[in-house]
Order: sequence, then C-alpha cells, then structure tokens
Amino acid sequence: DTEVTQTPKHLVMGMTNKKSLKCEQHMGHRAMYWYKQKAKKPPELMFVYSYEKLSINESVPSRFSPECPNSSLLNLHLHALQPEDSALYLCASSHYLRAAEGQYFGPGTRLTVT
Amino acid sequence: GQNIDQPTEMTATEGAIVQINCTYQTSGFNGLFWYQQHAGEAPTFLSYNVLDGLEEKGRFSSFLSRSKGYSYLLLKELQMKDSASYLCAVRGRDDKIIFGKGTRLHILP
Repeated sequence: DTEVTQTPKHLVMGMTNKKSLKCEQHMGHRAMYWYKQKAKKPPELMFVYSYEKLSINESVPSRFSPECPNSSLLNLHLHALQPEDSALYLCASSHYLRAAEGQYFGPGTRLTVT
Repeated sequence: GQNIDQPTEMTATEGAIVQINCTYQTSGFNGLFWYQQHAGEAPTFLSYNVLDGLEEKGRFSSFLSRSKGYSYLLLKELQMKDSASYLCAVRGRDDKIIFGKGTRLHILP
C-alpha cells in the first residue's frame, strides 16, 4: 500500500461550523504534513508531525488545529474559518523528516468556506 | 530571506528535450526535490538531490550545484502527458520544505 488517503474529497462549511479533515497512510511513515494550496500557487507548509509529535507549526492561525492520534492518522480540525481559508488542503507523509525519497501526497480536500 | 526561483511557463514539442531551471537562497540546505503536479491533482515526487551532480531516472534527470544554489530538471523524449506544473522544493536547515512557484510546462504536438 503506497497511498495516502484523505477524506472528505470536498467540504463546504460556514464560518461558524466545526469540521475535521482526515488523512491516513499505512506505509509505516513517521513524518506527516499538512499543506494548504491556493489555485495556481505552490503548496504552503502548515504543520509537520514527526513520530506523532508536532515538529513544525508555520505560524498557522489557531482556527486550524492539527492532531496526530497515531502513526497512521493525521487530522486537521477546523473552527471559525474565514472565506480566504478556502483552498486545497493536502496531506503528505515520508519515512522520516529527512527522507531522501520525498513525500507522498494525498489527493487533497477541496475546502470552500461560505 | 528564503527564495526559490523558477520560470513561470515553458513550451516544448513532443519528442524533444526540455530543461527547467531552479535557483534558491535558503537558510541552510538539506536537499532539493522536484515534483510534478497535473492540474487539479496532488504533487507527485520525481527526484531528490542532496549532493552535487546528476541523478538520472528514466526520462527524467535532475542536477544540483550547491555552491551555485542551482538545480535543473531535464525531461527527455517529451510526451503529451508531461504537460503539468513542475515544482522545485528545498528543505532547509530547520527541515522545513519550501516550494518554488512552479513552472507550467506546455507540450505541443
């Protein structure tokens, strides 16, 4: 299994809603990442987990809250988002933080905030 | 500051060779990646360079010169399916991976 899965594929939420994005991998990877990507822009790093501990937080607003319940799962909890948070949210994993083979990306969740 | 530069767009012909350049200035260096991203899809990993020189993988090769802060991705025998964005990304001393803005490659028949 060389796949990173993400659910849901699409999400529409209001500014007062609370929702969660989920990411799963069964490749035994110990580093997992959340990226945000706007149209025609490169992915922007949000969070990195290494061995289930938060390793990097790129000064992301607290309305985004990551969680890594175990080595296979990564969640992103969303609360009180703004319309400008609408984007493609990508999850990725790698064997470890300095892995030489790059990251495996999931298909993404396309989020629209209304 | 951190900066990764690559051309915004390039056009090439099916069957030809194209070279996409990337220059970078980052806080430390722990490797350079190239990714391919088709419109509406997630990036897929193409290559990784951490030492100077050329890495070859089938039709794709990537070169790195750390002293010049320079890399290129070489695509040979271009196919229509190679039309995509190509992203150069650098991992800095703090293990953060920063992506360049990407190069949109158009392949003409």
